[in-house]
Amino acid sequence: RKEVEQDPGPFNVPEGATVAFNCTYSNSASQSFFWYRQDCRKEPKLLMSVYSSGNEDGRFTAQLNRASQYISLLIRDSKLSDSATYLCVVGSRSNDYKLSFGAGTTVTVRA
Amino acid sequence: GAVVSQHPSRVICKSGTSVKIECRSLDFQATTMFWYRQFPKKSLMLMATSNEGSKATYEQGVEKDKFLINHASLTLSTLTVTSAHPEDSSFYICSARTSGSGAYNEQFFGPGTRLTVL
Repeated sequence: RKEVEQDPGPFNVPEGATVAFNCTYSNSASQSFFWYRQDCRKEPKLLMSVYSSGNEDGRFTAQLNRASQYISLLIRDSKLSDSATYLCVVGSRSNDYKLSFGAGTTVTVRA
Repeated sequence: GAVVSQHPSRVICKSGTSVKIECRSLDFQATTMFWYRQFPKKSLMLMATSNEGSKATYEQGVEKDKFLINHASLTLSTLTVTSAHPEDSSFYICSARTSGSGAYNEQFFGPGTRLTVL
C-alpha cells in the first residue's frame, strides 16, 4: 500500500467553480501535513500546511481527519491560474523528517 | 521565504559520463538536504537524505555508488550521477530543511535539474 494515495483526476472545472479532493495516508504516526502545488516541469511549491483544526488561506481550505487518516483540499472560486497538480505530502518526525508524496491530483480550470 | 537554488537547471550528457548537480540554500543554513527524483506523471521519490558532515542515508533500491552525495557545508549539497545511462534521465529535485522547521518539518525545494542521458 502506498504511504500517500490521491485521486489523480483530472478535475476539469469552469472558472468560478468549487473543486475539492482528498488524499489518504497510511502512517498513523504522521505529524505534519501539507498541500504542495506543482506546475508542469517545475518544482513543488508549498501551498499550505494543514493543521489539526483545519485552516483556510484565501480561496483554499484544508482539512485534516486524523481518525480516518485523510486530508482534503477545497478550492473556491477557481481561477485559470489554479490549474496545476496538487501534491498531498505527509511527514513524521519519527521517520527522520522525511516527506512522503502522493502522486498528485491534476486540476484544470477552463474559461 | 527560504530560497534553494540548483545548478544546472538542465543537462544533456552522453551515456557513461558523470554529472554533478549542486543544491544550495541561499539565505539559511540547511541541516538536512534531501534528493528526489521524479519521472513524468509520477510522484517525487526520495533518493537520499543528506546531513551536513555525515554520510548520506540512501533509500532502499538507490545505489549509493551510482548516486554520490556530498554535504560539505550547511549551504551546499551535491549529487553526482556516475556513469550515467539513459534510464537515469529524470527530473532531480533537492530540498532543504532547517533545524528550526520544528514539528511541521517544512522542506524548501530547489527548481530542479532535468537530466537527459543520450
